[in-house]
Amino acid sequence: AQKVTQAQTEISVVEKEDVTLDCVYETRDTTYYLFWYKQPPSGELVFLIRRNSFDEQNEISGRYSWNFQKSTSSFNFTITASQVVDSAVYFCALSGGATNKLIFGTGTLLAVQP
Amino acid sequence: GAGVSQSPRYKVAKRGQDVALRCDPISGHVSLFWYQQALGQGPEFLTYFQNEAQLDKSGLPSDRFFAERPEGSVSTLKIQRTQQEDSAVYLCASSPDLRGDTEAFFGQGTRLTVV
Repeated sequence: AQKVTQAQTEISVVEKEDVTLDCVYETRDTTYYLFWYKQPPSGELVFLIRRNSFDEQNEISGRYSWNFQKSTSSFNFTITASQVVDSAVYFCALSGGATNKLIFGTGTLLAVQP
Repeated sequence: GAGVSQSPRYKVAKRGQDVALRCDPISGHVSLFWYQQALGQGPEFLTYFQNEAQLDKSGLPSDRFFAERPEGSVSTLKIQRTQQEDSAVYLCASSPDLRGDTEAFFGQGTRLTVV
């Protein structure tokens, strides 16, 4: 069975602090994909980043970076120099190789205080 | 519009009433997904379509839930004899294909409240 766990329910930081959101996943697929989505108060889920199971190279994209470790089944997401506009619920999600049907975690509410 | 459009944004239904939720995907997108998001939870998969074919409906919670996409574009999620546990946000997403690494584009959702 596939499962995504986000242990952090809520995180509060002060603007300009770095913040890391944790994600642990379970899957029996050998090929799979991991995603982070952001859900602002308006409700729609906004795609942020994607990683596939056969590429553990960590990357940085602007203020976003991610740390993918298959050995610990973790896909953590870091926002550098957080801003008030980053306040939202962040979801980690998993898809198998066959389709892009997503299994979501329960989300982490990030509050960035000015 | 350029994005996924859902209507209505908000729906209040009396218990036992039937409701229909509409999703207009991005033009040309082959795949369409429905998710249910309870308060404080992550979205949970309900069903998906490839064009007009419903390929997976394993997430539909009961036979009161029915989805269709007759012409391969607009989709409707119908809930018959609504119950209080059906209260949730229903999210629609579309994508250009069904590949596992393809991002899905989400609408703003329909918030259904059953009273």
